[in-house]
Amino acid sequence: DIQMTQSPSTLSASVGDRVTFTCRASQNIATWLAWYQQKPGKAPKVIIYKASGLESGVPARFSGSGFGTEFTLTISSLQPEDFATYYCQQYSTFPLTFGGGSKVDIK
Amino acid sequence: QLQLQESGPGLVKPSETLSLTCTVSGGSISTTNNYWGWIRQPPGKGLEWIGNIYYNGSTNYSPSLKSRVTISADTSKNQFSLKVNSVAAADTAVYYCARRRVNYPVDYWGQGTLVTVSS
Repeated sequence: DIQMTQSPSTLSASVGDRVTFTCRASQNIATWLAWYQQKPGKAPKVIIYKASGLESGVPARFSGSGFGTEFTLTISSLQPEDFATYYCQQYSTFPLTFGGGSKVDIK
Repeated sequence: QLQLQESGPGLVKPSETLSLTCTVSGGSISTTNNYWGWIRQPPGKGLEWIGNIYYNGSTNYSPSLKSRVTISADTSKNQFSLKVNSVAAADTAVYYCARRRVNYPVDYWGQGTLVTVSS
């Protein structure tokens, strides 16, 4: 299985901050990586596909980058509705695997 | 607009079988290049991919669950199902059904259903 490791597990930030999360894959997954946002009690929502593709309807303050084994998700200016948990997932190879999540809370 | 809805018992006894159904509306589960799958999330923890069934009926499962899991589809009802045998407390989770297309991540999710394993 491909292991996905996210950091940090928790991040305290303020509205307007630039925040960056990292996701590392244990094997080369090219750009077959997605980022999801999950709010409490809700299903996850895809925000980035194929490492850097912005899902339709997602604000442009979200961006993704990376290739191979190292990936990042950046929020350029954190908004109140962005306080949530973010998961990366590889869909290069079965079994699909998720990272452990990165939670953004209010500083 | 595609919609997915999970249904099934919210409480299952240890050693018994967990059975859930996902009803799909707004699209057909027979549409080419679609995977229909299950993902779970234990309370307060992260997401775990369980497995999926492809539009042509082929299946893929998580190795850690493969011996206990079956995913099947009923195209006449536009539903797909999950069975997990010999459940234990560690199987307590919110179970989501989901759709993804080939070379694309999950883009449609059910609302999720909490299944508790307890006597």
